Amino acid sequence: EPEVTQTPSHQVTQMGQEVILRCVPISNHLYFYWYRQILGQKVEFLVSFYNNEISEKSEIFDDQFSVERPDGSNFTLKIRSTKLEDSAMYFCASIGQGDWGAVSEQYFGPGTRLTVT
Amino acid sequence: RKEVEQDPGPFNVPEGATVAFNCTYSNSASQSFFWYRQDCRKEPKLLMSVYSSGNEDGRFTAQLNRASQYISLLIRDSKLSDSATYLCVVILGRMRFGAGTRLTVKP
Repeated sequence: EPEVTQTPSHQVTQMGQEVILRCVPISNHLYFYWYRQILGQKVEFLVSFYNNEISEKSEIFDDQFSVERPDGSNFTLKIRSTKLEDSAMYFCASIGQGDWGAVSEQYFGPGTRLTVT
Repeated sequence: RKEVEQDPGPFNVPEGATVAFNCTYSNSASQSFFWYRQDCRKEPKLLMSVYSSGNEDGRFTAQLNRASQYISLLIRDSKLSDSATYLCVVILGRMRFGAGTRLTVKP
């Protein structure tokens, strides 16, 4: 079964440092997403990416955040200057070219746990 | 009103019990509906789609009422392994998540 992979599984960083979270979506997928989930809270949408550009972003996704698809396979989320409140699980997801009803095409990666100290 | 609202839970039930989760959504233009399951510190995983005609997958039954903007999930004969958080997800341009309902099934 195809899968989305994410690295690292756990990242510990000091406040103010930059982090890059990496995702490898499923190869023939076209829509990519980043979500975050603070421990014990709901899954929150950060950004969607299609055709090499951001298609939608939430109010959480401020100037400290950026996304890239540098080489056609990796999809990265960069946080420029981390804050304590950025500590969360970050999930990447990718969706295939089918209709939204094509449920078999929606996949989440296992997540990166980011801890900011 | 929240985009997607779920019973806050938690639900603590004995093995073998039947448990029902409810979810409402605010935008009538929502396109598709799903239930996801999330284990602690893991990614959400698709449990099942939800259709107006109702659909069943083993012990799980999902139902959609578009007129009431209401979605349900019924779990029959619950197992210890059903313990997880159940997320109601609505598609309106992108996935929109409910806060989740935590279920604990006890022996």
